[in-house]
Amino acid sequence: AQSVTQPDIHITVSEGASLELRCNYSYGATPYLFWYVQSPGQGLQLLLKYFSGDTLVQGIKGFEAEFKRSQSSFNLRKPSVHWSDAAEYFCAVGGTGNQFYFGTGTSLTVIP
Amino acid sequence: GAVVSQHPSRVICKSGTSVKIECRSLDFQATTMFWYRQFPKQSLMLMATSNEGSKATYEQGVEKDKFLINHASLTLSTLTVTSAHPEDSSFYICSARGDISYNSPLHFGNGTRLTVT
Repeated sequence: AQSVTQPDIHITVSEGASLELRCNYSYGATPYLFWYVQSPGQGLQLLLKYFSGDTLVQGIKGFEAEFKRSQSSFNLRKPSVHWSDAAEYFCAVGGTGNQFYFGTGTSLTVIP
Repeated sequence: GAVVSQHPSRVICKSGTSVKIECRSLDFQATTMFWYRQFPKQSLMLMATSNEGSKATYEQGVEKDKFLINHASLTLSTLTVTSAHPEDSSFYICSARGDISYNSPLHFGNGTRLTVT
């Protein structure tokens, strides 16, 4: 069955520190992977996506993610976190048809 | 591109009344839109898939008579919460794919915070 797991419910980092948010997926075919960010009371904004090709993908706001097929992972990273990055982050996997599967989200707190 | 507009952003209504939420694709045509519900500190729960010109497809456990979906055009889908009760209070988000490619991402509206008193 298709699923997405985000092991970390909540992460706290200091401003300027590096960040890595974990995402593991289970999907029978080639996955199409996405990271979204949600600010409080807002919808979801697409950060980046992976379909094929280079396994390291660059997104908006300085984020990047690396697809590792052997580990079924698609972790999100940022070298230096800004206070405005505090939000909820969702990993998602999509496939054929209209199916999208979201992880449970990771809440990021940034301390000054 | 691929902007989805959702209205209203917040609505407060009395128990027993109905509320309509609109979802529009502003710069693209969306034959399919999706309606999600999100509880505090939780992930998105797909409620239904809205198909232009045909009936919506509801997920298991979602009451189709309570959550009426109408996708009358390629740019507009509406969700009507009928006879709302306090337990319907939630954050509702719509989304659509920017194009018909099966690997295209979802684009989300900014959500509607519904409070039923």
